Amino acid sequence: DARVTQTPRHKVTEMGQEVTMRCQPILGHNTVFWYRQTMMQGLELLAYFRNRAPLDDSGMPKDRFSAEMPDATLATLKIQPSEPRDSAVYFCASGLVRGVPTDTQYFGPGTRLTVL
Amino acid sequence: AQTVTQSQPEMSVQEAETVTLSCTYDTSESDYYLFWYKQPPSRQMILVIRQEAYKQQNATENRFSVNFQKAAKSFSLKISDSQLGDAAMYFCAYRGQSPTGTASKLTFGTGTRLQVML
Repeated sequence: DARVTQTPRHKVTEMGQEVTMRCQPILGHNTVFWYRQTMMQGLELLAYFRNRAPLDDSGMPKDRFSAEMPDATLATLKIQPSEPRDSAVYFCASGLVRGVPTDTQYFGPGTRLTVL
Repeated sequence: AQTVTQSQPEMSVQEAETVTLSCTYDTSESDYYLFWYKQPPSRQMILVIRQEAYKQQNATENRFSVNFQKAAKSFSLKISDSQLGDAAMYFCAYRGQSPTGTASKLTFGTGTRLQVML
């Protein structure tokens, strides 16, 4: 049963600390998305990659957030320095695009981040 | 920009009964995809059903079906024979198709919390 995995599932940290969240997309998928869910903003896209190349990261605060795909099996989202307003659930999703995009995005379990 | 509206923050249904969750969207695109995701207390986002805009036939998936009205830009989810395990937040989502054919983001509604009563 293929699924997206995310680590850690929970993270509590203090303001100013670096936070790294990891995602393993479903094997064979070539698109990866990072979403953030908060009570106030709901679900919003932060960044997405296709074939490991960033296609859109306009939803991400560039001064403190960075997203990378070191290889096809790992995507990372890093916050440095973290702030209390970054407290949220961060979801990774992956999908498969073959020419015409008909992909369905499959979500990981999320990382619940609390910044004190 | 595309928007997705779910006007029902909360709904409740009796076990074994049928409930319909509403979703409307706004877009100028002709080709797009619509989804319903379920988020139980575990927070996992689970795909329930998807609909391609070019298909006139409404999608069905076991007890879940949609009523897709393209002209009205409406995409409601019907859950038949509701079960306790259906209790969750339900999100309607839109995904367009960019001219270059690259994947594009999901735009989510604000969600509807469904309670299933015994």
